[in-house]
Amino acid sequence: DADVTQTPRNRITKTGKRIMLECSQTKGHDRMYWYRQDPGLGLQLIYYSFDVKDINKGEISDGYSVSRQAQAKFSLSLESAIPNQTALYFCATSDPLRGYNEQFFGPGTRLTVL
Amino acid sequence: KNQVEQSPQSLIILEGKNCTLQCNYTVSPFSNLRWYKQDTGRGPVSLTIMTFSENTKSNGRYTATLDADTKQSSLHITASQLSDSASYICVINMEYGNKLVFGAGTILRVKS
Repeated sequence: DADVTQTPRNRITKTGKRIMLECSQTKGHDRMYWYRQDPGLGLQLIYYSFDVKDINKGEISDGYSVSRQAQAKFSLSLESAIPNQTALYFCATSDPLRGYNEQFFGPGTRLTVL
Repeated sequence: KNQVEQSPQSLIILEGKNCTLQCNYTVSPFSNLRWYKQDTGRGPVSLTIMTFSENTKSNGRYTATLDADTKQSSLHITASQLSDSASYICVINMEYGNKLVFGAGTILRVKS
């Protein structure tokens, strides 16, 4: 969905490096989310934010941090990447007042940690 | 533990055929159940949504059903097309906390 963009789309890095994944949206939604997707598993929630001043941990927040720089921007950081953080990462947005809080997903970032 | 399990894990069908994907869940209570389609290299996109009180919902060739008594949902695809090749994910929105529980998905491949 072009309304939710993620950069980079692909990234290969080494163990111990700091990595930042960025998400931008033009949908005007207050709520933003970061998920990771592993083969054979459902998407797992890492962090979510209901507005610029609100940050909440999800199911698997250890090893990750986030920053909500503006309503439209939500970044995910891996302070010291490790191989088991190799996964597909998705950003999503939602507006709870519309569409039963449907979440709109970005195209994903494929991260490989060597 | 709240879970959403999907079957089969993967499926190959010929173009033009119908197929049905299954979703069994233990999440309770929930406010709605949604099926997403995820094309390779893209994020999931919503196909259908049903509240706990609805039994069926259609979107073109896609028809979702929900049986709250047996805690099962299905997604039926009619007259499949090559473009239906994707992963189909069942997602439940829990009633409290606005939390989504995702199934692992069924990978569908439609062959010509």
